[in-house]
Amino acid sequence: EDKVVQSPLSLVVHEGDTVTLNCSYEVTNFRSLLWYKQEKKAPTFLFMLTSSGIEKKSGRLSSILDKKELFSILNITATQTGDSAVYLCAVRPGGTSYGKLTFGQGTILTVHP
Amino acid sequence: EPEVTQTPSHQVTQMGQEVILRCVPISNHLYFYWYRQILGQKVEFLVSFYNNEISEKSEIFDDQFSVERPDGSNFTLKIRSTKLEDSAMYFCASSPVRDGQSPLHFGNGTRLTVT
Repeated sequence: EDKVVQSPLSLVVHEGDTVTLNCSYEVTNFRSLLWYKQEKKAPTFLFMLTSSGIEKKSGRLSSILDKKELFSILNITATQTGDSAVYLCAVRPGGTSYGKLTFGQGTILTVHP
Repeated sequence: EPEVTQTPSHQVTQMGQEVILRCVPISNHLYFYWYRQILGQKVEFLVSFYNNEISEKSEIFDDQFSVERPDGSNFTLKIRSTKLEDSAMYFCASSPVRDGQSPLHFGNGTRLTVT
């Protein structure tokens, strides 16, 4: 059974801080790892990572994958109150199960002004 | 930006009743999914759907569940006889292609409360 574990479970920081969210996984057949941001409702897509060592970047957010050590990190620099959300990590299996994502439990990020 | 739309946002029903949750996927997307999230737990895969048939389903998706694409736009999840443990947030998602290279786009969810 595929497994995704995120840490920490929750994090409280002040605006301007930098945070690192962790995601480790165990899958029998790995295709990609996805990060989503969930603010009360719909998970919104952030990044999809398929190759080790290649950083994906979008503004203040960046993410990287290590397929040897089976983990990914999501970095947020200069945090803002609008970054407060649950950050979800999910793995996508290989083969034909394209849509069967396995999610972690999420990291609740709270950014105080 | 195109969105996945789900209705209703909140549904309250009594145990044993049938419910239908509705979704309008993004218009050029071909692959559709249902996920659920029980309060305080992980988001879980229920079913994937393509070309008017189920592609894959999880153990959760038993005979009480069914999916349908009744017309060119809607995608529905029916729970025949709801149980208390069906209370959860149900998310619909879609993707344009089934190649593993496109992320899933999720709707805002329907919160189902079974009393």
